[in-house]
Amino acid sequence: RKEVEQDPGPFNVPEGATVAFNCTYSNSASQSFFWYRQDCRKEPKLLMSVYSSGNEDGRFTAQLNRASQYISLLIRDSKLSDSATYLCAVTFTGNQFYFGTGTSLTVIP
Amino acid sequence: EAQVTQNPRYLITVTGKKLTVTCSQNMNHEYMSWYRQDPGLGLRQIYYSMNVEVTDKGDVPEGYKVSRKEKRNFPLILESPSPNQTSLYFCASRGSSYNEQFFGPGTRLTVL
Repeated sequence: RKEVEQDPGPFNVPEGATVAFNCTYSNSASQSFFWYRQDCRKEPKLLMSVYSSGNEDGRFTAQLNRASQYISLLIRDSKLSDSATYLCAVTFTGNQFYFGTGTSLTVIP
Repeated sequence: EAQVTQNPRYLITVTGKKLTVTCSQNMNHEYMSWYRQDPGLGLRQIYYSMNVEVTDKGDVPEGYKVSRKEKRNFPLILESPSPNQTSLYFCASRGSSYNEQFFGPGTRLTVL
């Protein structure tokens, strides 16, 4: 079983739409959770960490559900510039990181 | 500018010819790591290092070696590359907090 499972999409949404991605993880001892953004052929960049109480950064909201072992990312008012692949990542040691396969998002004008 | 650099960025080689991909960071980070990214499999961790002379295996270490003789450098060595090591490789580093790994620009390796 994979440590982290993520719906690969693709998600094609119109500008202004709200879109949500989920990511499930298998190790209940996982300690830290992240969402990364990766543009085509580029390196991943941290979008936001995910905290137990949920956290928001502008149009982006991340949530953690420990009981069901999933994290989510909500993007409101989608922009064309949000088109990218979104990767979730978890770690339970702080040294070994497990990434999802990524969810592709295309925002359409 | 704070950054992680990798060289080469692109490499085509043949089976069995030893190669090294260099990684260097200028942020004085203790932790460094190597990943490979393949379609449908995502980013998988190869090796990581918590500090100088401290390295450990990630999820897919077979066929790779690393060394950490200096804090800033973490080279990835393929002693005898094989075609199944054709992939996009990323080096990453982070400081003492868990929060952010900084990734290098990637090295696209093709083994014929």
